[in-house]
Amino acid sequence: EAGVTQFPSHSVIEKGQTVTLRCDPISGHDNLYWYRRVMGKEIKFLLHFVKESKQDESGMPNNRFLAERTGGTYSTLKVQPAELEDSGVYFCASSLASGNLDEQFFGPGTRLTVL
Amino acid sequence: AQKVTQAQTEISVVEKEDVTLDCVYETRDTTYYLFWYKQPPSGELVFLIRRNSFDEQNEISGRYSWNFQKSTSSFNFTITASQVVDSAVYFCALGPDSNYQLIWGAGTKLIIKP
Repeated sequence: EAGVTQFPSHSVIEKGQTVTLRCDPISGHDNLYWYRRVMGKEIKFLLHFVKESKQDESGMPNNRFLAERTGGTYSTLKVQPAELEDSGVYFCASSLASGNLDEQFFGPGTRLTVL
Repeated sequence: AQKVTQAQTEISVVEKEDVTLDCVYETRDTTYYLFWYKQPPSGELVFLIRRNSFDEQNEISGRYSWNFQKSTSSFNFTITASQVVDSAVYFCALGPDSNYQLIWGAGTKLIIKP
C-alpha cells in the first residue's frame, strides 16, 4: 500500500513568487493534515481536512496560504506571494479514523526555500 | 496553554550505549495523547508510539522503552544498546482530545557513533 506522498520534494523560489505543494494521502483516509517546520523550530499544525471540508484551519499563518482538497482526495497548499519566512519543511499527514487521534501517517515533506 | 518541551537539542553517544530522550508537556486537558515520532535522514516522520493519558504503564518494544509519568508531565524515551541506524531526529508530540492538532516539541537530534 502506498504511503502519503508529497510533491515536490524540494522547491526553491524567489520572494514574491507563487508555489503550490501537493499531498496525496493514503487511499481511503478521510483526514488530511498539513504541518510545517520552520528552520529547526517546532513542527506547527496548519490545518485539517475531513474529506473536502476544512475542519480546522486555525494554524494557517495568514491569507497568503490557501489549502484545498477538491473531491476529498489529494490536497494542495498554495503560498502566494511567498515570503522569506515561509521557508521550511511542509509535512502532510493522513489518518483513517476521525476520533481519538488515530495514527497520523506522514509524508516525506516538501522543503521550501524562499530566496 | 499546550506545550511540549524537548530540552535536549542534540545528543551524541557511542554505539551500544543506552540513551534517554526527555519530553515534558503542558496541558490542561484531562484526556490527551502523547506521541513519539522518528525522522530519519530520508525526511519522513515515522510513528513510534501513542499513549493516552489514562494509561501510565511503561511500554517496551524491543530496544525502545517509554516512561510516562503524569506526576512530572513527562514522557521519556529510552533506547537500549543504541545502534547507528537509530541516528535520527526524534519528536515528542501532544494530542489534545478536543481537536486533531498535534503539538510538537522542537525535536532531539540523536547521533550514534560507531
